[in-house]
Amino acid sequence: QKEVEQDPGPLSVPEGAIVSLNCTYSNSAFQYFMWYRQYSRKGPELLMYTYSSGNKEDGRFTAQVDKSSKYISLFIRDSQPSDSATYLCAMRRAAGNKLTFGGGTRVLVKP
Amino acid sequence: ETGVTQTPRHLVMGMTNKKSLKCEQHLGHNAMYWYKQSAKKPLELMFVYNFKEQTENNSVPSRFSPECPNSSHLFLHLHTLQPEDSALYLCASSQDASVAGELFFGEGSRLTVL
Repeated sequence: QKEVEQDPGPLSVPEGAIVSLNCTYSNSAFQYFMWYRQYSRKGPELLMYTYSSGNKEDGRFTAQVDKSSKYISLFIRDSQPSDSATYLCAMRRAAGNKLTFGGGTRVLVKP
Repeated sequence: ETGVTQTPRHLVMGMTNKKSLKCEQHLGHNAMYWYKQSAKKPLELMFVYNFKEQTENNSVPSRFSPECPNSSHLFLHLHTLQPEDSALYLCASSQDASVAGELFFGEGSRLTVL
């Protein structure tokens, strides 16, 4: 079993729809949770960063962490074609900076 | 230049060749990383350097040899690679590898081994 599971997609939605992404994990030691966005032929860039459980909102993006269920989510409201990318979840323990990544979900937002 | 720069962006090599990937960061960071990204697989951490010292080698085969001459530069020397080593190799940097902090990635070097 992988430490972090993420549906590879692709997830295709019409412009303006809500995109819902999630990851599950098995290691209860993970404390920090991140979402990265990776455009084609580019490196990943950090989108959202949360510590422990709860919600965090930044513009059209909302990240949720449910540590009791070992489940994290990313929601993108009012999706735009420019949101078309691969979204990677990542997480790490309290100490150190070693990230464990999910495999990424490819998202296509159609005009 | 800003951020994390990787060269070359694309590389094709035979199994008997020797080549090197280069990474340079202009962020004043002290930690640098090599990750491997293969199709339909999660990013795999290969090596970590913190203040020029290697702090992590994630059981990487010896045909991959990292070098970190200073905190701004990181190399990955490649020799006698296998076709399954074809992947996107990503360099990243952060302020300090021993504490939690944002990773900044380069755009990657796409390697094809024939």
